[in-house]
Amino acid sequence: NAGVTQTPKFQVLKTGQSMTLQCAQDMNHNSMYWYRQDPGMGLRLIYYSASEGTTDKGEVPNGYNVSRLNKREFSLRLESAAPSQTSVYFCAIGPTGSPHEQYFGPGTRLTVT
Amino acid sequence: QKEVEQNSGPLSVPEGAIASLNCTYSDRGSQSFFWYRQYSGKSPELIMSIYSNGDKEDGRFTAQLNKASQYVSLLIRDSQPSDSATYLCAGDSGAGSYQLTFGKGTKLSVIP
Repeated sequence: NAGVTQTPKFQVLKTGQSMTLQCAQDMNHNSMYWYRQDPGMGLRLIYYSASEGTTDKGEVPNGYNVSRLNKREFSLRLESAAPSQTSVYFCAIGPTGSPHEQYFGPGTRLTVT
Repeated sequence: QKEVEQNSGPLSVPEGAIASLNCTYSDRGSQSFFWYRQYSGKSPELIMSIYSNGDKEDGRFTAQLNKASQYVSLLIRDSQPSDSATYLCAGDSGAGSYQLTFGKGTKLSVIP
């Protein structure tokens, strides 16, 4: 997965619980992204970070927060999980500049009951 | 709302045939386009990128881009059962943008 690791691989939460999904890269790319993938909805961007110290909202940011800890790490936090956040979460990385190809991590499968 | 549209399939082709996957996009400012392959339960894997009008070939894969028609396609020659997967088309939002817009994917089945 192009030097992208995600933890955990699987997680089950109860409604209202919080958790942080971790993403780390060893490719020295500037840009990092968090997506969710749901059946019939495709990949939707939650947040992204174009470079260390910056973060921006994507298409579906509500209910999530992010932290770009350093150039290698980008975390996604669910403060109060809801069943609607049951999904597969992918972290992706990409080089600065055009074209903006992205490389994906292995994913985290999250179930909120 | 920027959109990338794909036929969801499933598209079934016999082994050895040519599989043709199509994608249209709404944002005329998009400049770069990407095809990802996603096996069931796995993450998307980048297999082709194309930036200018015309064809780009890489092994059994050919990507085609027609910016006037806002159309991108992926041809897979000599299809193999191992090509059975969902193929995602993605386009950027033009120069300076860091975001990709993904289609919902086309599921391809290659029948032995």
